[in-house]
Amino acid sequence: AQSVTQPDIHITVSEGASLELRCNYSYGATPYLFWYVQSPGQGLQLLLKYFSGDTLVQGIKGFEAEFKRSQSSFNLRKPSVHWSDAAEYFCAVDPNQAGTALIFGKGTTLSVSS
Amino acid sequence: NAGVTQTPKFRILKIGQSMTLQCTQDMNHNYMYWYRQDPGMGLKLIYYSVGAGITDKGEVPNGYNVSRSTTEDFPLRLELAAPSQTSVYFCASSPSNEQYFGPGTRLTVT
Repeated sequence: AQSVTQPDIHITVSEGASLELRCNYSYGATPYLFWYVQSPGQGLQLLLKYFSGDTLVQGIKGFEAEFKRSQSSFNLRKPSVHWSDAAEYFCAVDPNQAGTALIFGKGTTLSVSS
Repeated sequence: NAGVTQTPKFRILKIGQSMTLQCTQDMNHNYMYWYRQDPGMGLKLIYYSVGAGITDKGEVPNGYNVSRSTTEDFPLRLELAAPSQTSVYFCASSPSNEQYFGPGTRLTVT
């Protein structure tokens, strides 16, 4: 079945440590790929996107993501986490590249410890 | 630009009541969307629109209706509220592929 999987429901990282959030998708063709962040009680903010080209994409707030076609993955990374990064992170795909639908993963909650 | 605005922020409905969730965007985006977010489930698409006068169903349309008479506005209508519609509702807009989200409406049906 077509789906977006975020294997980690909850991750805790020490402040200053590196972060990697996983995302896998199961669609036949390479979809458009997105990462969004949601702070408590807020809407979703776009962190970065991948449509084509360079498989390492840079986003806002120091985040980056790498698209790996062979693994159907689009993992989000940050070299040094700040306490303000605590939030829920959603991977999303546009399977038809048409802008008519985003399919979201169930999200990963990031906690940052001091 | 205010971006995507949603009203109300919170609402409590009794079973069987109806209401309209308002969504407005000032970015002149053609595409607009309604999602619902339930704990641990991510976001599910309810309806979307690719332009004024054009709407289509998403993954979970049952119990909802939409209209799109202008580019700016995309209201979501609940006709007979049910407890299963307790959720947080997000409106989004897009010029093509990147979606921009409003702050959400938290709806409780009791």
